[in-house]
Amino acid sequence: SQELEQSPQSLIVQEGKNLTINCTSSKTLYGLYWYKQKYGEGLIFLMMLQKGGEEKSHEKITAKLDEKKQQSSLHITASQPSHAGIYLCGADGAGTASKLTFGTGTRLQVTL
Amino acid sequence: NAGVTQTPKFQVLKTGQSMTLQCAQDMNHEYMSWYRQDPGMGLRLIHYSVGAGITDQGEVPNGYNVSRSTTEDFPLRLLSAAPSQTSVYFCASTGSGNTIYFGEGSWLTVV
Repeated sequence: SQELEQSPQSLIVQEGKNLTINCTSSKTLYGLYWYKQKYGEGLIFLMMLQKGGEEKSHEKITAKLDEKKQQSSLHITASQPSHAGIYLCGADGAGTASKLTFGTGTRLQVTL
Repeated sequence: NAGVTQTPKFQVLKTGQSMTLQCAQDMNHEYMSWYRQDPGMGLRLIHYSVGAGITDQGEVPNGYNVSRSTTEDFPLRLLSAAPSQTSVYFCASTGSGNTIYFGEGSWLTVV
């Protein structure tokens, strides 16, 4: 079965600083999804990557899928308090998008 | 367009009771899934469906039943609730381009 490891598990950054969260898969990724979750709430879709080398950006968040399709990184530029939450990566290991394997999440705190 | 709707949002059950978590989507998606989220373990797949009349087991199916009689609905049934089933449950559906939409979650406590 596919396993995803996220690092770091938690992160505290000062407002305005950049940060990177990594997601490493034990198997080739057919699709890699990034979600954000605030405590006690649902999952907010951020981005989906499918092709090796693909990079997508939305506002100050950029996600990349490496060429070998086994690792993805999520980079936040000039962090803001609104970026605080739990970031989850989910892997589609079968190419069907009907079932994902998730990492355990990275908890991000942004201090003033 | 309501997206993925889950009910109830909060529920407390006694051990041994049964209940159904409802999930409905109005986007005509074929693929639907149920996940549970536990502290420190991320989300784990319980059951999924690739279309009406077709369901299959995920990673943690024991204690749960599903059915898919229509494209829109994918209910999750707890047959005899146990404290180990205390969790947050998320329903999801997959749209074009493999975009996966999640419901807002159902918080279940079994006492």
